[in-house]
Amino acid sequence: GQQVMQIPQYQHVQEGEDFTTYCNSSTTLSNIQWYKQRPGGHPVFLIQLVKSGEVKKQKRLTFQFGEAKKNSSLHITATQTTDVGTYFCAGQSNYQLIWGAGTKLIIKP
Amino acid sequence: GAGVSQSPSNKVTEKGKDVELRCDPISGHTALYWYRQSLGQGLEFLIYFQGNSAPDKSGLPSDRFSAERTGGSVSTLTIQRTQQEDSAVYLCASSLESSWTGELFFGEGSRLTVL
Repeated sequence: GQQVMQIPQYQHVQEGEDFTTYCNSSTTLSNIQWYKQRPGGHPVFLIQLVKSGEVKKQKRLTFQFGEAKKNSSLHITATQTTDVGTYFCAGQSNYQLIWGAGTKLIIKP
Repeated sequence: GAGVSQSPSNKVTEKGKDVELRCDPISGHTALYWYRQSLGQGLEFLIYFQGNSAPDKSGLPSDRFSAERTGGSVSTLTIQRTQQEDSAVYLCASSLESSWTGELFFGEGSRLTVL
């Protein structure tokens, strides 16, 4: 079936280091959404990308959608403790929303 | 309230009992989704409603699981004869759009523990 692979599963960073998570779909997506889930919380929508090659920025977060609309990435510059949580991508294909497994961002003490 | 409301927030039950979980979506949102999330895991899709109909029930794990939505608003997820593997957080989400293209707004979830 259709899948969205998300890597890495975990990323440990020192505060101030950068963080990146990648999603790769087995099929072409109509759009891709990104969500953040804080520990003990529920997923909260961050952004939706629709166009091929689209790049969007939200302060220290940069989101990209690949030219083929099969992959996407989220990059966080200079991580802060408030960035801790799990980041999920969710791609739309054939009237389904296919979720990645999430990448957990852990800030090393 | 302004957000998606779920109840109960916590439910502890004994194996074999039935449970009902309720979701009250954001007013005016036509699409409603149920997901299940086990500890430290991703989101497992259960069912999607458009209005009162469920065009996609593909994620329901077994016939012990059922869901309904009435009046295009409140939805109830029922689990019959609960098993320990049903223990998880059940998340409800709603969206304004009539397809899968809209932002999903999630509730706080109902944490189910089956002893």
